[in-house]
Amino acid sequence: RKEVEQDPGPFNVPEGATVAFNCTYSNSASQSFFWYRQDCRKEPKLLMSVYSSGNEDGRFTAQLNRASQYISLLIRDSKLSDSATYLCVVGVMDTGRRALTFGSGTRLQVQP
Amino acid sequence: EADIYQTPRYLVIGTGKKITLECSQTMGHDKMYWYQQDPGMELHLIHYSYGVNSTEKGDLSSESTVSRIRTEHFPLTLESARPSHTSQYLCASSENRDRGFYGYTFGSGTRLTVV
Repeated sequence: RKEVEQDPGPFNVPEGATVAFNCTYSNSASQSFFWYRQDCRKEPKLLMSVYSSGNEDGRFTAQLNRASQYISLLIRDSKLSDSATYLCVVGVMDTGRRALTFGSGTRLQVQP
Repeated sequence: EADIYQTPRYLVIGTGKKITLECSQTMGHDKMYWYQQDPGMELHLIHYSYGVNSTEKGDLSSESTVSRIRTEHFPLTLESARPSHTSQYLCASSENRDRGFYGYTFGSGTRLTVV
């Protein structure tokens, strides 16, 4: 089982739509959570951190459910420029190693 | 304006050649990482470093080696390139934090093709 699981998509949505991505992680000792965005053939870029209380950044809302080991990202009023792959990322402190584990990503295509 | 730089951006090289992928950051970060990513696939950690003279292997077994002689520089070397090494190599760095993590800043990557 992968440490971080995401629905690969693609999610094809019209402009203005609301879309939600889900992610589950397997290690209950996970400490930190992020959503990254990766455009085709580019490097990943940090979109937002995810906090236990949930957090919002403009049109983007992230939620964390530690009991279910579940993370979500909601995008409201989708723009064409939101088309990208969204990576769910988890940080675990494990036997002295501290590094982020990346999901394989969910691809979003926003259509005019 | 990038604060973490990778060179070359693209590299096509013959089997058996020795190559070094460069990564430098100007942010003073102690922690640096190398990830490998095939097209459409997830990133896999291959090496990481928590500071000068500190290097460790990651989750994905790799024939590459790394060094960390200076804080800002974290090069990756393949002694003898093979077609199976064809991939994208991404370097990242992060701030220090006693607990938890800061997000990573990635370089723009090196797309390596071994023919």
